[in-house]
Amino acid sequence: EAQVTQNPRYLITVTGKKLTVTCSQNMNHEYMSWYRQDPGLGLRQIYYSMNVEVTDKGDVPEGYKVSRKEKRNFPLILESPSPNQTSLYFCASSSYQGSYEQYFGPGTRLTVT
Amino acid sequence: AQSVAQPEDQVNVAEGNPLTVKCTYSVSGNPYLFWYVQYPNRGLQFLLKYITGDNLVKGSYGFEAEFNKSQTSFHLKKPSALVSDSALYFCAVRDSWGKLQFGAGTQVVVTP
Repeated sequence: EAQVTQNPRYLITVTGKKLTVTCSQNMNHEYMSWYRQDPGLGLRQIYYSMNVEVTDKGDVPEGYKVSRKEKRNFPLILESPSPNQTSLYFCASSSYQGSYEQYFGPGTRLTVT
Repeated sequence: AQSVAQPEDQVNVAEGNPLTVKCTYSVSGNPYLFWYVQYPNRGLQFLLKYITGDNLVKGSYGFEAEFNKSQTSFHLKKPSALVSDSALYFCAVRDSWGKLQFGAGTQVVVTP
């Protein structure tokens, strides 16, 4: 089954404790992206990757890091989480061939206390 | 820079009535436009897209959208709403680099 998986689905952590949210897709997509969803703000892009070893900042990159060492994986790293990073995070992927629609993971709800 | 506006935070409609969710956009060049739906505790699901061609686009679950270049709009429509259509709907525009800009979302509530 074609899918984007994220882990963990739920995470409660404390300020300053480094964490990683994993994202993996099995569709051989070139493009991957991370978004955060906050009430009234829709989805805002954090980082995106056009292909392996190619990443770029989205609209709200501060406090986040990413890497793209393999085509299928695109982890999101919070080196020193803060309460304002409490949010719902989505990973997505798409292909450059054809219709361009993005496939989304199920989301990771992060709470930073 | 591209932008997307969804002017309504919430749309209420009775089951069986037509449903319209509004979206306007601003983008340089030709727009690539999308609608996504989010059900509670789920990720976003693709509904339909406009890339080029016919201004009336048909998508999943009986939804359609009309691209209007002069009004820079891409409104989502369904002729007869179902209670199961209650969800959060997002309009999005894609730039030439593949970056998606999302609207703030419109909550659709369909009452029996």
